Amino acid sequence: KQEVTQIPAALSVPEGENLVLNCSFTDSAIYNLQWFRQDPGKGLTSLLLIQSSQREQTSGRLNASLDKSSGRSTLYIAASQPGDSATYLCAVMGDRGSTLGRLYFGRGTQLTVWP
Amino acid sequence: NAGVTQTPKFQVLKTGQSMTLQCAQDMNHEYMSWYRQDPGMGLRLIHYSVGAGITDQGEVPNGYNVSRSTTEDFPLRLLSAAPSQTSVYFCASRTGDTDTQYFGPGTRLTVL
Repeated sequence: KQEVTQIPAALSVPEGENLVLNCSFTDSAIYNLQWFRQDPGKGLTSLLLIQSSQREQTSGRLNASLDKSSGRSTLYIAASQPGDSATYLCAVMGDRGSTLGRLYFGRGTQLTVWP
Repeated sequence: NAGVTQTPKFQVLKTGQSMTLQCAQDMNHEYMSWYRQDPGMGLRLIHYSVGAGITDQGEVPNGYNVSRSTTEDFPLRLLSAAPSQTSVYFCASRTGDTDTQYFGPGTRLTVL
């Protein structure tokens, strides 16, 4: 069964720092990997999606990388701002058999950026 | 374009009661799914659908039923609520092309 782990579970940093959030998964048979943001009491918002054939994706101050063979992804946030405070979730989509099309989520990293 | 909508936002039930959580999307997405989110557990898949008339079980389907009579709607039914079903429920949809998942705002359910 696919297991997704996110480290650290929580992170508190001053404004302006560059951050790295980590995600690892146990089964490399994935179709894609997605990073989501969740604000308290809200739903999930997709930030970046990396297909299994890709190495990275960028959107503004966010950059996500994928090393499928080693089962790792990182989300890099440049020049963090208080508005980046949220929980960041990593999810992988299975690509075969009973896992096809299913998302498997990590437990998230709770990020606090203070002024 | 409202995206994915869920009703109600909050619900309190007594053990043994039944209810339906509503989910609708206006993006003509083929894939729809239901997740539950519990503290320290991450999101877990309950049921999913790849199109009208087609549903299948996810990771934690017991105690829940679904049906998909239209592309737009994917209701989740709790047959006989139990305290273990206290959770936040999210509905999501996606196309087969982009794979980006769109989530609803969630329903916070408490079973007493």
